[in-house]
Amino acid sequence: GAVVSQHPSRVICKSGTSVKIECRSLDFQATTMFWYRQFPKQSLMLMATSNEGSKATYEQGVEKDKFLINHASLTLSTLTVTSAHPEDSSFYICSARGRPVSNSPLHFGNGTRLTVT
Amino acid sequence: QKEVEQDPGPLSVPEGAIVSLNCTYSNSAFQYFMWYRQYSRKGPELLMYTYSSGNKEDGRFTAQVDKSSKYISLFIRDSQPSDSATYLCAMSAGGNNRLAFGKGNQVVVIP
Repeated sequence: GAVVSQHPSRVICKSGTSVKIECRSLDFQATTMFWYRQFPKQSLMLMATSNEGSKATYEQGVEKDKFLINHASLTLSTLTVTSAHPEDSSFYICSARGRPVSNSPLHFGNGTRLTVT
Repeated sequence: QKEVEQDPGPLSVPEGAIVSLNCTYSNSAFQYFMWYRQYSRKGPELLMYTYSSGNKEDGRFTAQVDKSSKYISLFIRDSQPSDSATYLCAMSAGGNNRLAFGKGNQVVVIP
């Protein structure tokens, strides 16, 4: 089946630094990638949608200057948490949808647990 | 009313029992329905993917969709301790429409 690889799986950083998370579709071309955030015992909260070659679309309340998303190729999207603060500590999960978009399910990466100290 | 309703549980069952999970939804435009399994500290794993109403079976898993009632179900037969996880329902209208997720239902299968 479709495989989405997310790296790193865990990262600890100091407050004020930036962290980059990579999401790759390994065996299919991902025209659209989604970035989610998940709090303990909560469902997935969509942060932004990125389409290859165009700017990401952010959900209401998500700061685009803080969560930089780049989808430079059909197999790679990155999320950079800039000037991280402890409240940014969370579980971040990417997902990718292949082609045809209309009837392709989402496949998820294994998530990145970010801890900001 | 939330777009997707799912009882968060937890649901505890003895090994070998049938697990029954369900979600209701309000958006009649939804056509694609998914069930994901999520183990602790892992990303969701796609279990079942169905289009429109009907049943789909894959091994011990059966997904049912009743669009007239806006109700979807997942059944797990002969449940195993390894089935202990959180199960999320998700649905979309298709195209580039976002997925709407349920809150997730924690299932514990007791050996």
